[in-house]
Amino acid sequence: GAVVSQHPSWVICKSGTSVKIECRSLDFQATTMFWYRQFPKQSLMLMATSNEGSKATYEQGVEKDKFLINHASLTLSTLTVTSAHPEDSSFYICSAKTTGRVTDTQYFGPGTRLTVL
Amino acid sequence: QKEVEQNSGPLSVPEGAIASLNCTYSDRGSQSFFWYRQYSGKSPELIMSIYSNGDKEDGRFTAQLNKASQYVSLLIRDSQPSDSATYLCAVRGGGADGLTFGKGTHLIIQP
Repeated sequence: GAVVSQHPSWVICKSGTSVKIECRSLDFQATTMFWYRQFPKQSLMLMATSNEGSKATYEQGVEKDKFLINHASLTLSTLTVTSAHPEDSSFYICSAKTTGRVTDTQYFGPGTRLTVL
Repeated sequence: QKEVEQNSGPLSVPEGAIASLNCTYSDRGSQSFFWYRQYSGKSPELIMSIYSNGDKEDGRFTAQLNKASQYVSLLIRDSQPSDSATYLCAVRGGGADGLTFGKGTHLIIQP
């Protein structure tokens, strides 16, 4: 259980274009999903927290107008990188949170590697 | 600012020995603690979660938490070459949902 998928797994785009990444929880409902970014040889950095039916909460330094997040259902969140530039090239990973009595484990999707030319 | 510190390594351990990975965190209000394993080019995979002081064992893995010292550790017994990976310590603070990750410790199990 607790499987999270992402699509696409990799994407190459030209500078100035927009890219949409989908994150789905396959076998559970996730009221909260998270988007992380990982640059080479760096750790994961939280970009934003996405709650179903409400606006995303962005971490300090993350441009909300550049990284558009939509959490339209309990199983789907999307991240759109608008007007992508080479410095946006990174490994984007989503996670979804299961809820329990005291546990709050996040399960990660396989990630999307974005390369902006 | 919340910080999670790990020794980046690499930590080299002979096959069959015990690998010990350590992590410290700055936010005393932290509630939940996780160890993830990440292979190169892949996303993190949950190894262990721990929420209260003491030890938690799951197969070859034991997580240890000491909130007074703000210290979390992961022990891997009978290390295997397949355990070679980067191990990420992650912490969830009180009132926050997102995880703060350390930079990870690169573990190498030598056959």
